[in-house]
Amino acid sequence: EAGVVQSPRYKIIEKKQPVAFWCNPISGHNTLYWYLQNLGQGPELLIRYENEEAVDDSQLPKDRFSAERLKGVDSTLKIQPAELGDSAVYLCASSLDGGRADNEQFFGPGTRLTVL
Amino acid sequence: GQNIDQPTEMTATEGAIVQINCTYQTSGFNGLFWYQQHAGEAPTFLSYNVLDGLEEKGRFSSFLSRSKGYSYLLLKELQMKDSASYLCAVRGASNYQLIWGAGTKLIIKP
Repeated sequence: EAGVVQSPRYKIIEKKQPVAFWCNPISGHNTLYWYLQNLGQGPELLIRYENEEAVDDSQLPKDRFSAERLKGVDSTLKIQPAELGDSAVYLCASSLDGGRADNEQFFGPGTRLTVL
Repeated sequence: GQNIDQPTEMTATEGAIVQINCTYQTSGFNGLFWYQQHAGEAPTFLSYNVLDGLEEKGRFSSFLSRSKGYSYLLLKELQMKDSASYLCAVRGASNYQLIWGAGTKLIIKP
């Protein structure tokens, strides 16, 4: 079974440029998460989808970040314009049923973003 | 507020046993997860505890005390490949909400 797929793995851009990350979750997983992880820290939730609906985007900086999951499968996270402080690893995760307490999350390899 | 505390870094010797502690203060509790994360890689699931007690899974065991807001991950017969960060995460009042600790970097020495 294929795991969570993310691309690109690495991205280097100059500040004020736009950037987009793509995620394809495990087949059949209804819940998709985007996290940001800084070095030496735990993941921080940006947005959670149940199928195509964004059910928690309270931590997403909406002035510059946007996300979509149009058909309830793969998802795109965009930053426009990027700032120096956005340099981090962006992790995508999926779970079979995010409403179940024991449902583990499966993570993709992440996209390491460097903003110069 | 909600908070999870773990030691920042620990060092242990190959073949030995190490215990990584996690204390938490959250609004509600619906289970505690431990994940392993090797440098530059994604976190991978290790264990889930929702009832008090010890859950054993091979060389790894996880313990939970809900009354004390405390968990630990016990790693036995340490191998060099166990060098990684270990993340504690608590599912709070809402089943979807996971509150993550900063992780404990475990360094294994020969």
